[in-house]
Amino acid sequence: GAVVSQHPSRVICKSGTSVKIECRSLDFQATTMFWYRQFPKQSLMLMATSNEGSKATYEQGVEKDKFLINHASLTLSTLTVTSAHPEDSSFYICSASRGDQPQHFGDGTRLSIL
Amino acid sequence: DQQVKQNSPSLSVQEGRISILNCDYTNSMFDYFLWYKKYPAEGPTFLISISSIKDKNEDGRFTVFLNKSAKHLSLHIVPSQPGDSAVYFCAASYSNAGKSTFGDGTTLTVKP
Repeated sequence: GAVVSQHPSRVICKSGTSVKIECRSLDFQATTMFWYRQFPKQSLMLMATSNEGSKATYEQGVEKDKFLINHASLTLSTLTVTSAHPEDSSFYICSASRGDQPQHFGDGTRLSIL
Repeated sequence: DQQVKQNSPSLSVQEGRISILNCDYTNSMFDYFLWYKKYPAEGPTFLISISSIKDKNEDGRFTVFLNKSAKHLSLHIVPSQPGDSAVYFCAASYSNAGKSTFGDGTTLTVKP
């Protein structure tokens, strides 16, 4: 069964809306969570690395004021796309890792901004 | 500059035969290399990994080979099964649990 749950799986909303995506590790305490974005037929692009209780580390070119990440507990991280616009439409995937184990991925969120 | 490349966007193989998926990287500082499998509408699932100190890692039907001098790794699936049909992503990282850089993926189709 899934060890990482991502919710919602699909969001359609109007331009200017803020959207929150949740990522939960179900079976373990995740010391680190990662947020990725994937465009059609392209690879997963890392947006940010999130450690519980500290500020997220954003990759170059990712606007931290646009993509707010909160990692309040060892089992939950949230990504909020603020004032979303059509160019933010994409597939967002989170992953969680613990210790020296490979990342476990959620099933992703398809975000469509009209 | 893309640090991890999968030059074949697709591969088609007959059931029972070997599938070989290739991946090249440019950053010699990568310490771990991982393969993930992804079905439509699902997140990637970890398949197998290899550390840079090894040149081969085997798990059942899956074997990953690493050639550090060529900065090349490959995933061998023997024998291939129709259920193996999916997108396979190669990834590289500085640790087994650290952030990973992904290739664009190769779509494998195994024909019955």
